[in-house]
Amino acid sequence: AQRVTQPEKLLSVFKGAPVELKCNYSYSGSPELFWYVQYSRQRLQLLLRHISRESIKGFTADLNKGETSFHLKKPFAQEEDSAMYYCALTGGSEKLVFGKGTKLTVNP
Amino acid sequence: NAGVTQTPKFQVLKTGQSMTLQCAQDMNHEYMSWYRQDPGMGLRLIHYSVGAGITDQGEVPNGYNVSRSTTEDFPLRLLSAAPSQTSVYFCATRRDRGGYEQYFGPGTRLTVT
Repeated sequence: AQRVTQPEKLLSVFKGAPVELKCNYSYSGSPELFWYVQYSRQRLQLLLRHISRESIKGFTADLNKGETSFHLKKPFAQEEDSAMYYCALTGGSEKLVFGKGTKLTVNP
Repeated sequence: NAGVTQTPKFQVLKTGQSMTLQCAQDMNHEYMSWYRQDPGMGLRLIHYSVGAGITDQGEVPNGYNVSRSTTEDFPLRLLSAAPSQTSVYFCATRRDRGGYEQYFGPGTRLTVT
């Protein structure tokens, strides 16, 4: 079974501080992992995916198969990063399974 | 291109009423899904479709029906609404299985009284 765990419902940091949103997964095969973001009053959109290994808006995420984690990191948080962040997993099937989300607030 | 559209944006139903949430896409994507978003529960998959004429259940299918007669449309039907179905509903599409980006609609906020 596919499962995604985001242990923090809420995360609050100050502007300029580093931020890390945690994501752990459970899947027996080779997972494909994503981070989606939902800004206030906007639809969900893809932030990044592990297969592309890119940095978007200063965010990066590394897949750690040993720890079954895909944590999202940014060295210097900005106020516009305040949003709801969802980690998601697919095992190559049709289903994309989401975690429960972490609400990030970046304080000025 | 409109992308993924959903109607209505808001809806209030009484318990026992039925309604259909509409979802349409113009990206020619084969995969379409319906999710509900509830506080503290994240996004949960209701039903999905891998192509016209093919649908399957997700994590929370009870109380909902779907059909996929065309590539473009994937309506979600509530046969007899219950207060537990109060939620925000999102339709999403994806080009293919696996690591492709999923595109979401703007959502429908449904309240059942």
